[in-house]
Amino acid sequence: GDSVTQMEGPVTLSEEAFLTINCTYTATGYPSLFWYVQYPGEGLQLLLKATKADDKGSNKGFEATYRKETTSFHLEKGSVQVSDSAVYFCALSDPFGGSQGNLIFGKGTKLSVKP
Amino acid sequence: EADIYQTPRYLVIGTGKKITLECSQTMGHDKMYWYQQDPGMELHLIHYSYGVNSTEKGDLSSESTVSRIRTEHFPLTLESARPSHTSQYLCASSEGGLETQYFGPGTRLLVL
Repeated sequence: GDSVTQMEGPVTLSEEAFLTINCTYTATGYPSLFWYVQYPGEGLQLLLKATKADDKGSNKGFEATYRKETTSFHLEKGSVQVSDSAVYFCALSDPFGGSQGNLIFGKGTKLSVKP
Repeated sequence: EADIYQTPRYLVIGTGKKITLECSQTMGHDKMYWYQQDPGMELHLIHYSYGVNSTEKGDLSSESTVSRIRTEHFPLTLESARPSHTSQYLCASSEGGLETQYFGPGTRLLVL
């Protein structure tokens, strides 16, 4: 079945450092790919998404490119801030993957940014 | 900004009690979901609904039940709470099956 694998954390960076969180997926069909973020004490919120190969999603300085050839959707940010400290979830939605199009999440990566 | 609400935000309750976690959305979304989030952060889909009078079980078996009598309301009930039910419960909704999901703030449940 479909699955999402993302790098394990926690990840600790200094402010203004470059961030990469790796995410790879396995899917039967042509999934849409998402990054969600969960700030402390809150629910998840959509950070960015891409619906087809080579699409680039971007928001708040974060970006990720849908790479079909490597089945990847890595999250990047050029200069992180303390306020980016959160848990980041990679997810996919595949209407042909047997999950009725429901989101399949990775296990989450906790990011801590130090001043 | 998405309008999806969960109450209570925190609940401490004794073993054997019946509890209902409330979830409401004002966006008119058809599809709604309940997730259980363990302390290691991993999310597990426990219930979802395509619309009124529709309820489906998710990937993780759960002793909880849900109902969907109104589009905007998707409560989750535990008939007899146990310490193993201690977790965070997140509700979400989406306009359709493949659309972005909007999450509520969550309910943290502690069963003593």
